[in-house]
Amino acid sequence: GENVEQHPSTLSVQEGDSAVIKCTYSDSASNYFPWYKQELGKGPQLIIDIRSNVGEKKDQRIAVTLNKTAKHFSLHITETQPEDSAVYFCAAARYNFNKFYFGSGTKLNVKP
Amino acid sequence: DAGVTQSPTHLIKTRGQQVTLRCSPKSGHDTVSWYQQALGQGPQFIFQYYEEEERQRGNFPDRFSGHQFPNYSSELNVNALLLGDSALYLCASSLDPGTVRYEQYFGPGTRLTVT
Repeated sequence: GENVEQHPSTLSVQEGDSAVIKCTYSDSASNYFPWYKQELGKGPQLIIDIRSNVGEKKDQRIAVTLNKTAKHFSLHITETQPEDSAVYFCAAARYNFNKFYFGSGTKLNVKP
Repeated sequence: DAGVTQSPTHLIKTRGQQVTLRCSPKSGHDTVSWYQQALGQGPQFIFQYYEEEERQRGNFPDRFSGHQFPNYSSELNVNALLLGDSALYLCASSLDPGTVRYEQYFGPGTRLTVT
């Protein structure tokens, strides 16, 4: 099955700085890569996703890049704000399976 | 537009007991997946229901079973509870896996504590 590894496990940045979280996957058949933000006591919230036919996608301060050859993808958050503090999870899935494999999470702390 | 809802929010059970968790999918969605999230870990896939049938299953024992109703809502049942079953149980809804819309939307979860 698929194996998703996520780094770092914790990340502390100053408000206004950028944050980068990286994930690798093992199954070359995976073709959908979502990112979720989970705040304390809540379920994961989809913040951005990317499909294997695209190398980069951006939504305001958030961007995701995908390198299919190397089997890794990354989340980039620019101009971080205290409300960005949360646990972020990457995931990988195959088309038509809809079974998501999650990374172990990154706890992001944005210091004001 | 109502998102994914789950009930109850919290639950405390004793080892050996049985538990039923409930989920209503996001409006317009017909597929429900269940995940187990242990403390400090990422969610792990339990199974997925579509058209009232279990379509896929993760590496969970038969003590974990489910059901989907004609209105697309779903239940997760766990029998013979173990201490290790203590976790946050998440429900996610999506469209038919055969569509090109892959997005899964999660509910707030049910926190199960087994003592």
